[in-house]
Amino acid sequence: KQEVTQIPAALSVPEGENLVLNCSFTDSAIYNLQWFRQDPGKGLTSLLLIQSSQREQTSGRLNASLDKSSGRSTLYIAASQPGDSATYLCAVRLRAGGTSYGKLTFGQGTILTVHP
Amino acid sequence: NAGVTQTPKFRVLKTGQSMTLLCAQDMNHEYMYWYRQDPGMGLRLIHYSVGEGTTAKGEVPDGYNVSRLKKQNFLLGLESAAPSQTSVYFCASSLTGVLYNEQFFGPGTRLTVL
Repeated sequence: KQEVTQIPAALSVPEGENLVLNCSFTDSAIYNLQWFRQDPGKGLTSLLLIQSSQREQTSGRLNASLDKSSGRSTLYIAASQPGDSATYLCAVRLRAGGTSYGKLTFGQGTILTVHP
Repeated sequence: NAGVTQTPKFRVLKTGQSMTLLCAQDMNHEYMYWYRQDPGMGLRLIHYSVGEGTTAKGEVPDGYNVSRLKKQNFLLGLESAAPSQTSVYFCASSLTGVLYNEQFFGPGTRLTVL
């Protein structure tokens, strides 16, 4: 059974710091990995999607890396801002042999607070 | 485009009552999903659909039913609500195929069962 773990569970940093969020998964036979942001009381917003054949993806101040063999992904946020405060979730999609559907398994998230 | 929308946003039910949550997407996505989010449990898949007229069970399907009569809509039903079904429910959708299957989420429905 695929298990996804995110460390740390919560992180508080001053504005301007570069930071790294970690995601690990137990089954390396994934198709892709997706990072989401969730604001309090809101839905999930997709940040980055990394296919299993890729090593990293970048969007603005965000960079996500994937090391499938070791079962790890990191989300790097450069020059953090108070507006980055949210819960960050990673989710992996397993290959489902013979079908096009692969189950998305979520981690429990990292609660990020960036204070001015 | 509105993306993924959910109705209602909030609902309070008494034990034993029934209700239907509606999810709609205007992106012509084939795949649609229902999740529930609980503290300490993360998001868990309830049911999903890979196309109009098809549905399948996810991780935690007991106590729920779904229907996908139209491609753009995915309904989640609770026939006899229980306090254990108090949760935040999210609908999501994605394009067909495995090459590009980013999931897009709705804003959620907060359900309380008394």
